[in-house]
Amino acid sequence: ETGVTQTPRHLVMGMTNKKSLKCEQHLGHNAMYWYKQSAKKPLELMFVYSLEERVENNSVPSRFSPECPNSSHLFLHLHTLQPEDSALYLCASSQGFRTAQETQYFGPGTRLLVL
Amino acid sequence: AQSVTQLGSHVSVSEGALVLLRCNYSSSVPPYLFWYVQYPNQGLQLLLKYTSAATLVKGINGFEAEFKKSETSFHLTKPSAHMSDAAEYFCAVSDDTGRRALTFGSGTRLQVQP
Repeated sequence: ETGVTQTPRHLVMGMTNKKSLKCEQHLGHNAMYWYKQSAKKPLELMFVYSLEERVENNSVPSRFSPECPNSSHLFLHLHTLQPEDSALYLCASSQGFRTAQETQYFGPGTRLLVL
Repeated sequence: AQSVTQLGSHVSVSEGALVLLRCNYSSSVPPYLFWYVQYPNQGLQLLLKYTSAATLVKGINGFEAEFKKSETSFHLTKPSAHMSDAAEYFCAVSDDTGRRALTFGSGTRLQVQP
């Protein structure tokens, strides 16, 4: 595997379900990100992890819970979601988070549908 | 606070024609500027980025962008469109003060007509 991978690629869940999205980066990077891409809205940054420590939480509802067990893996745990949470969830990584000019490398995303 | 405006949510050009995708930014300090491309069912891929070294930035696939501070613009161009350029293009801005993460524009979908 190369780059940034995400599983599953598609997910359908009910509002009472609990599911998790997984992201893995094979680039030796130290920072990882979750973004939400909704129809007709710009990409929204959700969370940033640098060296496994959460450094940014962009006012995301608590029904989204991130986890970064090591620098290569990032999870997004989902519970009691709403239909408006249906979106493409993108994971990204960068070498670091010390400077804003770092290039972010994106995974293919998980398309989530909440019924 | 940073912001990015992409004029035109859809742009259609003929194959071989000039591609021009517009991006204007707002930042209170010198910005870093990025263009990303997203093909259907894929994540975002970096086309090019401006980090204050040179105002004309060349990227992959024949794209380039020029940073114009006086116009607060970072428009993306390609002299001759190819069918494979059909995708969605995102402009993004960041800077080293406070929040260092990217702020994205709403995207421009490029169609290339044969």
